[in-house]
Amino acid sequence: QKEVEQNSGPLSVPEGAIASLNCTYSDRGSQSFFWYRQYSGKSPELIMFIYSNGDKEDGRFTAQLNKASQYVSLLIRDSQPSDSATYLCAVNDLGWSSASKIIFGSGTRLSIRP
Amino acid sequence: DAGVTQSPTHLIKTRGQQVTLRCSPKSGHDTVSWYQQALGQGPQFIFQYYEEEERQRGNFPDRFSGHQFPNYSSELNVNALLLGDSALYLCASSLYASGRTDTQYFGPGTRLTVL
Repeated sequence: QKEVEQNSGPLSVPEGAIASLNCTYSDRGSQSFFWYRQYSGKSPELIMFIYSNGDKEDGRFTAQLNKASQYVSLLIRDSQPSDSATYLCAVNDLGWSSASKIIFGSGTRLSIRP
Repeated sequence: DAGVTQSPTHLIKTRGQQVTLRCSPKSGHDTVSWYQQALGQGPQFIFQYYEEEERQRGNFPDRFSGHQFPNYSSELNVNALLLGDSALYLCASSLYASGRTDTQYFGPGTRLTVL
């Protein structure tokens, strides 16, 4: 059974600090990786995707991928109270992108304290 | 730019009944995936539709079936409802021609309660 593992949290970070969220995956053949943000009672919102080893930056968000270690992370700089949410890590189980079977982790709850 | 829409927002059914949930993909998208999200869990993949055919399927029983229409909208049908089917049902859309059907955008979801 292919798995995506996340620490459930809650992760508490002071406002203005860097929040670091981590995820590991079991299938070495995985090629596509995603981070979703989900506010309580709402649906997931895609915030980052990464396909290659290394870092990808978008505004205050940086996704980091290390395929050798089967590890994906999300850094949120200058954390704001509005960043308080559950962050879901997701992986395409199929290893190619023209078809997809996305596996999600259970999510990490992030709380930004003022 | 119209986003993904789902109906109804909420639904209450009793055990043994059947339910149909509906989804319209984001404007310009042609691929629809369905997920079930239980409380406190991540979404679980049910199936994906493209060109009116089921292309991929997760580990869900045959009670879960779907359909895609020529206008790319989709339905999820669940027969013989069980208490354990109570969940948030999410539809996500993507574009096959982009080569990345895994880059998906979610609708607001349908909250199903089975009593």
